[in-house]
Amino acid sequence: AQTVTQSQPEMSVQEAETVTLSCTYDTSESDYYLFWYKQPPSRQMILVIRQEAYKQQNATENRFSVNFQKAAKSFSLKISDSQLGDAAMYFCAYRSGETSGSRLTFGEGTQLTVNP
Amino acid sequence: NAGVTQTPKFQVLKTGQSMTLQCAQDMNHEYMSWYRQDPGMGLRLIHYSVGAGITDQGEVPNGYNVSRSTTEDFPLRLLSAAPSQTSVYFCASRVGFDTEAFFGQGTRLTVV
Repeated sequence: AQTVTQSQPEMSVQEAETVTLSCTYDTSESDYYLFWYKQPPSRQMILVIRQEAYKQQNATENRFSVNFQKAAKSFSLKISDSQLGDAAMYFCAYRSGETSGSRLTFGEGTQLTVNP
Repeated sequence: NAGVTQTPKFQVLKTGQSMTLQCAQDMNHEYMSWYRQDPGMGLRLIHYSVGAGITDQGEVPNGYNVSRSTTEDFPLRLLSAAPSQTSVYFCASRVGFDTEAFFGQGTRLTVV
């Protein structure tokens, strides 16, 4: 079974600075997808960024980028120029590309605080 | 476009009561899922469906039932509520095998 681990329960960053959230996963599959979701106090789950395992290039979305290290099974999220609106719980998630179904396996989450 | 709609947003139940959490999507998505979110544990899959008439168990299915009679609706039934089912419940849907999931706004359930 796949597992996802986020070893940082809480992180803080100063506004306009850069922060990196860590995520590691365990799988024996070669075809899979990785995601970062943001959950603000409104509780809504918002997709931040997505990475396909077969792509060597790291995904980027505006101020958000990932460092995908397939051999190390690591998938960290970098937030540049942090804004107050980035404060939220962030979840790393894994989904198999080899089996059908709707299973997303989530990490425990990292609570990000942005200080003005 | 409403996306994924969950009702109710909040609910308090007494131990032993039953209830149904509703989930509807208007995007014609084949895949739908139910997750529960507990502190320090992320989201865990309860049940999922890959199309109307097809459902399967996820990681934590005990105490919950689902059915999928239409593409749009995927209700989650609690048969006899227990305090251990106090949680936030999320419904999610996606159109295909390799596409992103869209989440509803969640239902906060408290069982006393």
